Amino acid sequence: EPEVTQTPSHQVTQMGQEVILRCVPISNHLYFYWYRQILGQKVEFLVSFYNNEISEKSEIFDDQFSVERPDGSNFTLKIRSTKLEDSAMYFCASSELRTRNSPLHFGNGTRLTVT
Amino acid sequence: QKEVEQNSGPLSVPEGAIASLNCTYSDRGSQSFFWYRQYSGKSPELIMFIYSNGDKEDGRFTAQLNKASQYVSLLIRDSQPSDSATYLCAATNTGNQFYFGTGTSLTVIP
Repeated sequence: EPEVTQTPSHQVTQMGQEVILRCVPISNHLYFYWYRQILGQKVEFLVSFYNNEISEKSEIFDDQFSVERPDGSNFTLKIRSTKLEDSAMYFCASSELRTRNSPLHFGNGTRLTVT
Repeated sequence: QKEVEQNSGPLSVPEGAIASLNCTYSDRGSQSFFWYRQYSGKSPELIMFIYSNGDKEDGRFTAQLNKASQYVSLLIRDSQPSDSATYLCAATNTGNQFYFGTGTSLTVIP
């Protein structure tokens, strides 16, 4: 079964450094998402992406965040100047369509630790 | 503010029993509802989704939706120890943004 893949599985970085989290969505999917989950808390929406542009973003997704689809397969989340509170599990997800019966398929996540 | 509320639990049921998980949502514009299972330290896995009022069955799982009451539930029949996990309820209106609850922790006791 096709799956969303994310790399790395764990990233440790120092406060103020830039990190890039990478994702390869399922190949025939059209919509891509980043979510994050701080330990013990709910899964929170960051951004959705369609047709090479952001379609929606949350309040969390401020100027320190950016997303890119640099080629036909990869989808990246860049955090420009990491803060301690950015420590979380970051999930990439994709969906085939943007319809009511099109679920999110999640990758295994990248655990980001900011020290 | 669009919210999805779940009882965090923990909910404990004996093996073979029915586990009942509940969820309420605040946005009346929500159209579709999804149940995900999340094991500790892992990503959410889709169990099933529902968008019409009533019941929808898939194997041991039944999702129930009542839009008038803004209430969604998940029943797990013949619960197994491997069902022990956190169950996340999610709602979406356009499919562009999914709102997740905090999840209900389920423990199935052998």
